[in-house]
Amino acid sequence: EDQVTQSPEALRLQEGESSSLNCSYTVSGLRGLFWYRQDPGKGPEFLFTLYSAGEEKEKERLKATLTKKESFLHITAPKPEDSATYLCAVQAGSNYQLIWGAGTKLIIKP
Amino acid sequence: NAGVTQTPKFQVLKTGQSMTLQCAQDMNHEYMSWYRQDPGMGLRLIHYSVGAGITDQGEVPNGYNVSRSTTEDFPLRLLSAAPSQTSVYFCASSYSGQRAGAFFGQGTRLTVV
Repeated sequence: EDQVTQSPEALRLQEGESSSLNCSYTVSGLRGLFWYRQDPGKGPEFLFTLYSAGEEKEKERLKATLTKKESFLHITAPKPEDSATYLCAVQAGSNYQLIWGAGTKLIIKP
Repeated sequence: NAGVTQTPKFQVLKTGQSMTLQCAQDMNHEYMSWYRQDPGMGLRLIHYSVGAGITDQGEVPNGYNVSRSTTEDFPLRLLSAAPSQTSVYFCASSYSGQRAGAFFGQGTRLTVV
């Protein structure tokens, strides 16, 4: 069964304290892995798409990487405005449907 | 550009009532979808559409209907509301294949009592 697991469920960091969020997946025929950010009371906002192992994408303080079994979202010197829930989703097989993880709630304290 | 617009933002229904959640996008996207989001769980796909006149079921379609008469609009109908349908509902749109990412609406928080 296709599955996406995110860890940790929640992460509290001090401002400036770098860390990583994990998204592990078991799917047949990966087509793409997606990272989204979700603020309270709002819909998810697209961040990155990764297509193949070894690929990396960067945006401001965020860097996403992909291996054959997992993806990491690295956050460098985070600021309080980076606080949000980060969602990972995988597209696999012959259809376009996404399989979503439950998310990691990130809290950055000033 | 308004993006994806969902209405209403909040709704309370009594068990057995029916209602329609509205979703409209102005980006000429082919692909539209409805998700529900429950605490501790990933987004779950209810129904989706790859273009006007074409709809299909997702992971959790029971109790919901959709139609796609135009490219812009993709309403979700709850036929007979049940407490298990209490959730936050999101509509999303994207270009075909979703590889460039999807745009989401602000969500509808639905409570069924």
